[in-house]
Parts: sequence; C-alpha cells; structure tokens
Amino acid sequence: KNQVEQSPQSLIILEGKNCTLQCNYTVSPFSNLRWYKQDTGRGPVSLTIMTFSENTKSNGRYTATLDADTKQSSLHITASQLSDSASYICVVILSSNTGKLIFGQGTTLQVKP
Amino acid sequence: KAGVTQTPRYLIKTRGQQVTLSCSPISGHRSVSWYQQTPGQGLQFLFEYFSETQRNKGNFPGRFSGRQFSNSRSEMNVSTLELGDSALYLCASSLWTGDSPLHFGNGTRLTVT
Repeated sequence: KNQVEQSPQSLIILEGKNCTLQCNYTVSPFSNLRWYKQDTGRGPVSLTIMTFSENTKSNGRYTATLDADTKQSSLHITASQLSDSASYICVVILSSNTGKLIFGQGTTLQVKP
Repeated sequence: KAGVTQTPRYLIKTRGQQVTLSCSPISGHRSVSWYQQTPGQGLQFLFEYFSETQRNKGNFPGRFSGRQFSNSRSEMNVSTLELGDSALYLCASSLWTGDSPLHFGNGTRLTVT
C-alpha cells in the first residue's frame, strides 16, 4: 500500500533553534518528493521538489534530504523564526505520467519566542 | 502574476443540500486539482483536470464531481451533503503534474450543519 508517514506529529522549539522533520514513504513507482509549508488558514506553499537522483536541496533556511534507498526524507530548518510556525507536509508523487499524489499527515511546528 | 483564486472563502450548508466551489488557476496553467483537508484525514486528493478532461481521480464517492472549462477555470460540486463533508477544500494549479510544483489557493472552508 502506498503510504507516506511523517514524524513527529507536532513539535515545539524555541526561536533560533534548529529542527528536523522526518518523512518515510512506501510508494512505488516513485517520481518525486515534495515538501510544503502550510500556514494556518492558507493553502500549502511549495518548499522543495526532489527527484530520485537528488540527495539534497535547499531553499533558504530549509534543507531537504532524500535517501531513495531507505525511502526516507527529512526537512531541516535552520535558525528557526516565529514565522516558521506552520504545518509541514511531505508529498510523494507517483510516476510522472499518472501524477498521483500521496500526502503525509503533516508535522505541526510551533516556534516560541 | 495572480495566484490561484478560490471562491467562496467560507460556506455554510445544510445536510442534503448541494454546493459548487470555484477555482481560477494561475494564468497559463492547464492542470487543476482538488483536495479535501480535514484534521483527521489530512490532505486527500479528489481529482485532477487537464485540458477539460479528468485525468486522475481519488477515492471519493460519486457525490463529488468536477469539471474544467476551456479557460482552465474549474468547479467542484458536492451533492447531498453530509456532516462529514465539512472540510477545507483546496484547489491547486500547475503547468504539468509531472515535476511541476503545485500552486495552491487558500481554500474554501465548507461547514455542513
């Protein structure tokens, strides 16, 4: 069964600290993996898109890694800011010609001053 | 460039009624997809349209339907509403669902009483 599991479910950190969110998937065939950030009351916004051959991709203070062998991805946030408080959703796309998406349940991050 | 626009922003309906939600994609985007988001189930894929044709469909009952017009604008219809249909309905557009990022609207919050 195609599944995407994220951990932890929720996380509270202090402003300025780093954190890492995890995403494990059992999806086949795999096309690409995406991380989205969703602020409360808003639609998700794309952070990174990683294909099978990419190991690391950065977007400012956000760095995503992908290990296609172990089917694991992580999203590392450096020097967290209050504006990083949001839900982070991992999405795996099946083969490009189907475009079918499998969503993780998300990790809710709260950054406290 | 204007983002994805969804209307209305909020909607309250009664059980048994039907509802139509609207989505205007980013100019030039021909793919429009719809998602249901609830606290318990997270984001779930409803269906995707490309050039007025439904290309992918999620595991939702036939009460959920959609269409896409020649200008790429899309509508989603839910008939015979149930309490469990209360959710945030998100629309996303993209150039192509393969490796193209999804651009989400801010959603329509539907409450069924």
